[in-house]
Parts: sequence; C-alpha cells; structure tokens
Amino acid sequence: SAVISQKPSRDICQRGTSLTIQCQVDSQVTMMFWYRQQPGQSLTLIATANQGSEATYESGFVIDKFPISRPNLTFSTLTVSNLSPEDSSIYLCSVVVGEFREKLFFGSGTQLSVL
Amino acid sequence: ILNVEQSPQSLHVQEGDSTNFTCSFPSSNFYALHWYRWETAKSPEALFVMTLNGDEKKKGRISATLNTKEGYSYLYIKGSQPEDSATYLCAFQGGKLIFGQGTELSVKP
Repeated sequence: SAVISQKPSRDICQRGTSLTIQCQVDSQVTMMFWYRQQPGQSLTLIATANQGSEATYESGFVIDKFPISRPNLTFSTLTVSNLSPEDSSIYLCSVVVGEFREKLFFGSGTQLSVL
Repeated sequence: ILNVEQSPQSLHVQEGDSTNFTCSFPSSNFYALHWYRWETAKSPEALFVMTLNGDEKKKGRISATLNTKEGYSYLYIKGSQPEDSATYLCAFQGGKLIFGQGTELSVKP
C-alpha cells in the first residue's frame, strides 16, 4: 500500500494568481499522477510526473498552465497557474503499486475555489 | 474517445435499503475495472479490482459483478448504512485509467 499526504486540503484563490499543491508519499514510487475533477465531471488525468524527466501531459493540458516538479521518488508538486474560475476543481495526486500496477492510491485531494 | 458512464448520478435511500448502481465501459481492450469509494475530504478508497469476465467480488455488505463482453459492472450495497454515504467511482483500465463521473449515494437514518 501507499500513504499519500496532500496539501493544502482546500484553498480560495484570486483570479490570476497561482496555487501549488504538494504530495508526499511514504515510499518510493516511479510515477505519480495528477488528476482533476471539475464539478459534475469525471476524474481526469492531467499529467504523469516522472522522477528525473519532464512530466507527460494529457491532451488538453499544457506545462505552462500546470507546471509539475518531481525532485525525488517520494515527492511532487503541481502548480495551477494564472487561475480563472474554470480552474475551480478538486485536484488529486496518486500513485500505482503492485506487481502489475493494479492498485491506485490517492491523496486526500485539494479543493480549489477561484474567485 | 473512450467513455465510462455511471448511473444513476445520485441516489438517496433509507437506512436498511439495498441498492445498486451501474458502470458502463468499452468492451474492447479491457484489462481491469476498478471501483472506488470516495468520502468528502478523504482519499478515494479502492474497493475492488476486477479482471475476469463473470468475476464477482465481495467486501462486507458491498459486492460487485463484471461483464466484460457487454461492458458493464454492477456495484451492490446490501442493507445500506449512513456510513455508506459517499461517491462511488468506477474506472476502466485499458491502457490508462478512465474514470466515470461517479454515483453519489446518500443514506438517511
């Protein structure tokens, strides 16, 4: 299993500012994933954070808007830049464990509201 | 575009009622189907990972079935309790994980 500490748990931000979300895992993992759930929508993968290389972004998500850092195998940050009300969502980090990478563990999420 | 659909979107039941909801997913390139339970302000918690057609899994009062040929899975809760109130997510794993929108369950005492 894996225990993930994610913070902040919630924040209210002004338009145009940025928010950085941190995730700390209690074990070393190769890949960490960042998801977003907009109101009424599915959990959607933003990017995969790899240690030692640039993150891999999904279609519709770009590095300038969602820069990611992965300085070591237990930690990652996601920044949501130039905030707009459309960025109001729950953001989750996650890791996969298991021989076949079949088990996905999540942080407790960051509830972001943009005014 | 791969779609994973969950129904209903929300469900309100009385304590003691049994309930079930559906996850529909693509029937091709199937590797696994995941069910998660997500309480507000907590981490989504893995309930089941199902890989074989016809699979049935059970955890306490919660059980799930899987039909990969027709692309659906059912989640059943027997004798719902207020602590079962949460959003239940399914996720289809072909290459990547694709989540449904979730079913929000509210159990009234």
